[in-house]
Amino acid sequence: NAGVMQNPRHLVRRRGQEARLRCSPMKGHSHVYWYRQLPEEGLKFMVYLQKENIIDESGMPKERFSAEFPKEGPSILRIQQVVRGDSAAYFCASSPPSGMNEQYFGPGTRLTVT
Amino acid sequence: AQRVTQPEKLLSVFKGAPVELKCNYSYSGSPELFWYVQYSRQRLQLLLRHISRESIKGFTADLNKGETSFHLKKPFAQEEDSAMYYCALSDPGGNKLVFGAGTILRVKS
Repeated sequence: NAGVMQNPRHLVRRRGQEARLRCSPMKGHSHVYWYRQLPEEGLKFMVYLQKENIIDESGMPKERFSAEFPKEGPSILRIQQVVRGDSAAYFCASSPPSGMNEQYFGPGTRLTVT
Repeated sequence: AQRVTQPEKLLSVFKGAPVELKCNYSYSGSPELFWYVQYSRQRLQLLLRHISRESIKGFTADLNKGETSFHLKKPFAQEEDSAMYYCALSDPGGNKLVFGAGTILRVKS
C-alpha cells in the first residue's frame, strides 16, 4: 500500500493563474481531507469529502477555492486566480469509512505563487 | 471555539533527559486528542491518541480534563526522537482535526 499520494510535490504559479492539486487516498479509503499550512503555523482544516460529496467545507475560503472527489480518480483541490497569500503547503489525508478519526497524511504539495 | 495551543516552538534537550511537550486545548465537550509527529523528510504520522492509552516509542500522554491539557512525555529522550510534534483534537465523531502550531524537539548528544 503506497499510502496517500499527492502531486505535484512542488508547484509554482504566477499571480492570476490556476493551481490544481491532486490527492489519491490510500486503498480502501473513501474519506479525504484537505489542510493548509502557512509558514510558522499548524495545519488548518479546509474541506472534508467523500466520493462525489462535500461533507464539510467550513474551512474553505469563500472565493477561488473548490474541491472535488469524483467517483473515479483522485481528489482535486483547485485554486483559481492565485495570489501570493495562497503560497503554502497543502496536505491531504484519507481515512477508512470505519475510523474517521484515524487520518493518514500525504507528503504535501508546496505551492509558491510568484 | 476549538483551539490547540503548543506554547513552545522549540524544545532542546540532551540525550537521556526527560521530555515534556506541552499541549493545551480549548473545547466545549469531550474531544479526542492526538499527537502527530513529522520526522525529517517524512510525512506526518499519528504517534498516539488518548483513547488508546498506549505508549508508542516510549511516549505517553495523559488527558487532563481539569487543566485541559494533553502533554506528551518520555522519560529518556533519544536522538531519533528529534522531529516536529503536533498536538491535535477532533470532535468525538468528527471529521476534522484542529492542530496546534507544533513544537520542534531537538535531542542533542
